Amino acid sequence: NAGVMQNPRHLVRRRGQEARLRCSPMKGHSHVYWYRQLPEEGLKFMVYLQKENIIDESGMPKERFSAEFPKEGPSILRIQQVVRGDSAAYFCASSPQGAEAFFGQGTRLTVV
Amino acid sequence: QKEVEQNSGPLSVPEGAIASLNCTYSDRGSQSFFWYRQYSGKSPELIMSIYSNGDKEDGRFTAQLNKASQYVSLLIRDSQPSDSATYLCAVNKETSGSRLTFGEGTQLTVNP
Repeated sequence: NAGVMQNPRHLVRRRGQEARLRCSPMKGHSHVYWYRQLPEEGLKFMVYLQKENIIDESGMPKERFSAEFPKEGPSILRIQQVVRGDSAAYFCASSPQGAEAFFGQGTRLTVV
Repeated sequence: QKEVEQNSGPLSVPEGAIASLNCTYSDRGSQSFFWYRQYSGKSPELIMSIYSNGDKEDGRFTAQLNKASQYVSLLIRDSQPSDSATYLCAVNKETSGSRLTFGEGTQLTVNP
């Protein structure tokens, strides 16, 4: 049973470009969460999605960031017009009906 | 006041000792509690979950929950150098389907 799959593992973008991060949840998991971890800081919640629905986006910056979890395919976290401050590790987690969440390996985004 | 607070550490213990990690939370309505282990440069790994007052043991790990004191702890018995990592306390307001709020983590070093 494959775990939570994230790709790419490392992503380098120039300032002003777009970054797309993908997450495929564990089989049987219908809840997807995105978290961001800045260097030497804790994990900060960004968004919680179920298939075709955004349940809680209270942690998402109001501009440039968006997320989706379509009926088919992975969940996507999209960052438009990236800035240096977006450089961080972005983690996706998934859970079944219960509260236990399992994390993917993360995408390390570097903005140059 | 932070929603979830942990001793920032670092905590250093000798091999074979008991490591004690502590966490307090501010929302009295919180329902579920988790400990994650994160090695440097890696993703968080779920090691313990606890939902009701008392102790829960799993191998060398024991989680303790006291909802009246809004306190959760993790004990690691017979600590090994491989336990050296950052330990993250996470709290969920519901028993299922909502976001985790993380503490900043406690860095543990186990000295051979």
